[in-house]
Amino acid sequence: KQEVTQIPAALSVPEGENLVLNCSFTDSAIYNLQWFRQDPGKGLTSLLLIQSSQREQTSGRLNASLDKSSGRSTLYIAASQPGDSATYLCAGSVSGGSYIPTFGRGTSLIVHP
Amino acid sequence: GAGVSQSPRYKVAKRGQDVALRCDPISGHVSLFWYQQALGQGPEFLTYFQNEAQLDKSGLPSDRFFAERPEGSVSTLKIQRTQQEDSAVYLCASSLEETRFNYGYTFGSGTRLTVV
Repeated sequence: KQEVTQIPAALSVPEGENLVLNCSFTDSAIYNLQWFRQDPGKGLTSLLLIQSSQREQTSGRLNASLDKSSGRSTLYIAASQPGDSATYLCAGSVSGGSYIPTFGRGTSLIVHP
Repeated sequence: GAGVSQSPRYKVAKRGQDVALRCDPISGHVSLFWYQQALGQGPEFLTYFQNEAQLDKSGLPSDRFFAERPEGSVSTLKIQRTQQEDSAVYLCASSLEETRFNYGYTFGSGTRLTVV
């Protein structure tokens, strides 16, 4: 069974810092990888989707990369802002099975002014 | 619709009561998923539909949980004889095509179930 680990579990930084959030998988046969943001009491908002043929995706200050050989994905947040405070979740689908995404427990991020 | 809609937004049930949670996926989306998210945890998979067919229900925690999508659009997750451990946020997601295609997933805002 695919297991997803996110490191760190929590992070508190001052505004303006560049951040790296990590996501690793026990099964490196990752088919696609999606990063989500979750605000308290809310659902999940999709940030970036890396499809099976891609290695990275960028959207504004966000960049996500996928290294299938090591079973790892990284979300890079540039010039963090207080509005970035939320929980960040990664979800990966594995090839050859049902392709249903498995989630990590998330990284809780606080960016203080 | 423009997004995935879930209702009710909040539900308080007495232990032993039956509940029904509704999900309206994006119109035309083939795949529909239900996830359960306990406080401080990531979403855990419950069940998956491709159109009206329930292709995977391996995540349903007990036979008290039942899901359906009879016409391939709206889905209902039913929990019978609710227990306190059922308290969680229930998330619904949909995707344009079958899971083996590289489309992302759109989530609803969830239903927060509290069993007292």
